[in-house]
Amino acid sequence: AQSVTQPDIHITVSEGASLELRCNYSYGATPYLFWYVQSPGQGLQLLLKYFSGDTLVQGIKGFEAEFKRSQSSFNLRKPSVHWSDAAEYFCAVGATGTDKLIFGTGTRLQVFP
Amino acid sequence: GAGVSQSPSNKVTEKGKDVELRCDPISGHTALYWYRQSLGQGLEFLIYFQGNSAPDKSGLPSDRFSAERTGGSVSTLTIQRTQQEDSAVYLCASSLDGQPQHFGDGTRLSIL
Repeated sequence: AQSVTQPDIHITVSEGASLELRCNYSYGATPYLFWYVQSPGQGLQLLLKYFSGDTLVQGIKGFEAEFKRSQSSFNLRKPSVHWSDAAEYFCAVGATGTDKLIFGTGTRLQVFP
Repeated sequence: GAGVSQSPSNKVTEKGKDVELRCDPISGHTALYWYRQSLGQGLEFLIYFQGNSAPDKSGLPSDRFSAERTGGSVSTLTIQRTQQEDSAVYLCASSLDGQPQHFGDGTRLSIL
């Protein structure tokens, strides 16, 4: 069955520190992978996507993610975190660009000044 | 508008009542999705529309839940005889074919 695992429920970092949020997926074929961010009371905003091609993808707000097929992972990274990055982050997988999304349980990021 | 619009933003109702949630997708987006976000279950897919047809309604939890889409645009999610376990945030998303989904801010539904 298709699934997405985000092992870290809650992460706390200091402003300016680097960040890596983990995502592992279980999927029978080459998946379409997404990272979304959700601020309190808001919907989900797309940070970046991987459909094919270059396995290192750049997104908005200085985020990037790397698709590693051998590890079934799609980890999200940012070299220097800003206080405004505090939010909940969701990794998701789909069969196609239009398919329904299967989400991980999310990682809540807290940023200390 | 520029984004996906959902109404109402908040809805409080009594157990047993019917509720309707509305979604206005981004203009021109042919695909429309409904998801539910709850503390216990996380983000769950409910139903997917392509135009006015629903090729995938596999996520609807029971026959109390139904949805329709008219004119290839607005969609309504209806929950009949609401139960307390229906309390959640209901998110709508839309997309162009093959493109990522854009989400609305959701409707927070509370069942008393």
